Amino acid sequence: DAKTTQPTSMDCAEGRAANLPCNHSTISGNEYVYWYRQIHSQGPQYIIHGLKNNETNEMASLIITEDRKSSTLILPHATLRDTAVYYCIVRAGSGAGSYQLTFGKGTKLSVIP
Amino acid sequence: EAQVTQNPRYLITVTGKKLTVTCSQNMNHEYMSWYRQDPGLGLRQIYYSMNVEVTDKGDVPEGYKVSRKEKRNFPLILESPSPNQTSLYFCASRAGTTISYEQYFGPGTRLTVT
Repeated sequence: DAKTTQPTSMDCAEGRAANLPCNHSTISGNEYVYWYRQIHSQGPQYIIHGLKNNETNEMASLIITEDRKSSTLILPHATLRDTAVYYCIVRAGSGAGSYQLTFGKGTKLSVIP
Repeated sequence: EAQVTQNPRYLITVTGKKLTVTCSQNMNHEYMSWYRQDPGLGLRQIYYSMNVEVTDKGDVPEGYKVSRKEKRNFPLILESPSPNQTSLYFCASRAGTTISYEQYFGPGTRLTVT
């Protein structure tokens, strides 16, 4: 799997958009970008994933650069409940390697009142 | 409600006393796995199972056993627990198709071995 680089921590004011960057410069053509988050010691929670197009769901938006070497997760209106560690994960879209998630250290997002 | 359940949620035990942490999912998922989470080391995969009677080692399998006799259950067995297995454990499941990418995680089991 491609290695990812994320900032260790970020702050965001409540109600503002939270933009979490991820660098994955060695991503290969069949690898997807996934985002999960973990709220204090709870089980990780899937947020969104994408291959090359931008994606949006009820939780967040995912913007992937045209060269796919980096991406940004956007939480449009951050709330206190969005305080968590956010993990950017790159892995194959099919085959045995598509199942295992390799978690890095993630970004600790703190939403400030 | 689609969910992964784990039991017990908290467990304190002594070195060498065999224990089992159960994991069950109600989504008919083929793939299940176990992770442990330790401060500074993040989440690491212990074992995984692609389907009934099919299991394989993850990154840190030493000291653990698993079985997959039924699709919905994937218990984690510690035959002789040691203090270095004190950790937060998560079970996860996923559908075995490329259509579904989301992994569902259980609430976690906090294990302390003294």
